[in-house]
Amino acid sequence: TQLLEQSPQFLSIQEGENLTVYCNSSSVFSSLQWYRQEPGEGPVLLVTVVTGGEVKKLKRLTFQFGDARKDSSLHITAAQTGDTGLYLCAEFLSGGGADGLTFGKGTHLIIQP
Amino acid sequence: NAGVMQNPRHLVRRRGQEARLRCSPMKGHSHVYWYRQLPEEGLKFMVYLQKENIIDESGMPKERFSAEFPKEGPSILRIQQVVRGDSAAYFCASSPDRSTNEKLFFGSGTQLSVL
Repeated sequence: TQLLEQSPQFLSIQEGENLTVYCNSSSVFSSLQWYRQEPGEGPVLLVTVVTGGEVKKLKRLTFQFGDARKDSSLHITAAQTGDTGLYLCAEFLSGGGADGLTFGKGTHLIIQP
Repeated sequence: NAGVMQNPRHLVRRRGQEARLRCSPMKGHSHVYWYRQLPEEGLKFMVYLQKENIIDESGMPKERFSAEFPKEGPSILRIQQVVRGDSAAYFCASSPDRSTNEKLFFGSGTQLSVL
């Protein structure tokens, strides 16, 4: 079973600052997804990255997939209080006795006003 | 187009009782996944169902837990004789089909508390 390590586990910064969170794996990802989860709610998909070296942007969020497809990062520029939440990376496994998403434990992000 | 609906949002049970968690997938979705989230842990896959079929239950405990997705009606996750360790948030997700880069839509979850 692939192990997804996310770091840091907790991050608290001031509004307006930049930040980067990471997702690393012991083996190659087939594809990687990033989710954001707010308290009391289910995760919401932000992006899927598939190709090594791929970079995707979603407003102030930049997602990068490592060349070797074993790591990924999420960079937030000029963080806002609305960015507060739990950021999860996940890999989707299909077939072979393992279905569904395998999640990391997430990064708890708090943006202070 | 309504999203994935889960009910109840909160469920309190005493040890030994049964818990039934319901999930109505998005319209047009025939694939349902159940996940469990414990404090300080990530979401853990439990079971994957299509209409009337369990496809993969490798993440579901063998004892006391069962799931179904009947031809008509919501998917049900059933926990018999609940214990305190079953207290967690249970999330359901649905998708229209099974593909490599599957996009799952999650419900808001059911928070189960066992007293």
